Amino acid sequence: EADIYQTPRYLVIGTGKKITLECSQTMGHDKMYWYQQDPGMELHLIHYSYGVNSTEKGDLSSESTVSRIRTEHFPLTLESARPSHTSQYLCASSEGTSGFSSYEQYFGPGTRLTVT
Amino acid sequence: AQKVTQAQTEISVVEKEDVTLDCVYETRDTTYYLFWYKQPPSGELVFLIRRNSFDEQNEISGRYSWNFQKSTSSFNFTITASQVVDSAVYFCAPRGGNTNAGKSTFGDGTTLTVKP
Repeated sequence: EADIYQTPRYLVIGTGKKITLECSQTMGHDKMYWYQQDPGMELHLIHYSYGVNSTEKGDLSSESTVSRIRTEHFPLTLESARPSHTSQYLCASSEGTSGFSSYEQYFGPGTRLTVT
Repeated sequence: AQKVTQAQTEISVVEKEDVTLDCVYETRDTTYYLFWYKQPPSGELVFLIRRNSFDEQNEISGRYSWNFQKSTSSFNFTITASQVVDSAVYFCAPRGGNTNAGKSTFGDGTTLTVKP
């Protein structure tokens, strides 16, 4: 069973608010990821990290930012939420360092964000 | 970057039927990895199977089996004797070993409905 956690699970917030989505894993994985997914649709990688102090933008442009100060923690922040940010956000982690990685990803339960 | 096509948007079967989910991928990497993930209605993605590009041996694991054909760039996934609990969205996710290491590309997903 994967030990990766996301809070909150559901969030309804007004336009213009700053929000931080939390993601933590207890498996000691160096690699962590954030995906954005509309219901029933494909996953889009928006951020990833290969370890502490390493963050990269993913394939889908996003107005969010991330930080990786500790191995186990990879929070995602939206400085000013907009209705277009309404989506599900999935956090994942995997073993391995930068370079070849054959390891599977473990996913958190997701945060369903609604911006009104 | 990888590209993946899951041509079947939705599949509906009756319990105990066998069902095969198709996946065709494109990659310029000489070494890569192929994954299948399952996303049940609860929303949390779960890793199912992994295959390395240099190992074309097909395997069976319980009710799951997969058919990796490097010559046709296909990585199909079969569920034998389907059950209602198999109802979910299934994602094929190739990952490059030479480029984009560590980043998986997810297909659009195939929604499988197993009726009792």
